[in-house]
Amino acid sequence: SAVISQKPSRDICQRGTSLTIQCQVDSQVTMMFWYRQQPGQSLTLIATANQGSEATYESGFVIDKFPISRPNLTFSTLTVSNLSPEDSSIYLCSVEDATGDYQETQYFGPGTRLLVL
Amino acid sequence: KNQVEQNPQSLIILEGKNCTLQCNYTVSPFSNLRWYKQDTGRGPVSLTIMTFSENTKSNGRYTATLDADTKQSSLHITASQLSDSASYICVVSAGYQLIWGAGTKLIIKP
Repeated sequence: SAVISQKPSRDICQRGTSLTIQCQVDSQVTMMFWYRQQPGQSLTLIATANQGSEATYESGFVIDKFPISRPNLTFSTLTVSNLSPEDSSIYLCSVEDATGDYQETQYFGPGTRLLVL
Repeated sequence: KNQVEQNPQSLIILEGKNCTLQCNYTVSPFSNLRWYKQDTGRGPVSLTIMTFSENTKSNGRYTATLDADTKQSSLHITASQLSDSASYICVVSAGYQLIWGAGTKLIIKP
């Protein structure tokens, strides 16, 4: 199973600024995923980040607002730009990896809790 | 439309008791069904993953069942502990897409 760390774990930002979240995995993975979880809600996929190519964004999410970098197979960043209070959420990094019984499932980082004032 | 519905939305039980959480789905094509546990302030952690041909899978005190004909799954927790307090999320994989349920918030009271 993959072990994932995220930085920062939490932040408070002013509206109009940007926050960049880092995600580090302890093994090389092809696909990394960025999710948003708004208060009391389940997870919503923002984009899928493959190394060496542009990220693929889900409906309702655009690159100008959520630029993503994927410089290598163990690292990715998500930037949330031009922050507004509606961006206050938990942002989670995830990877697909094999389980002990040879199936694929997703492993998640601990999340970054963002509050925008 | 691909959908995953979970019930109940929330549940409170006493420590030591058993409980069962339900998940109904309308997802096509079906690849697998996963149950995740999410503690408050943490990322989800995979409990079980089942393919079409699997009816039941256990992970310690957690047992998941899958009825592919009725498109229903359940997660049974035996002898609940305070640490079981969390949200439990059912996720169905439709090819390359994951369809997330809203989760059941479980509270275990001493």
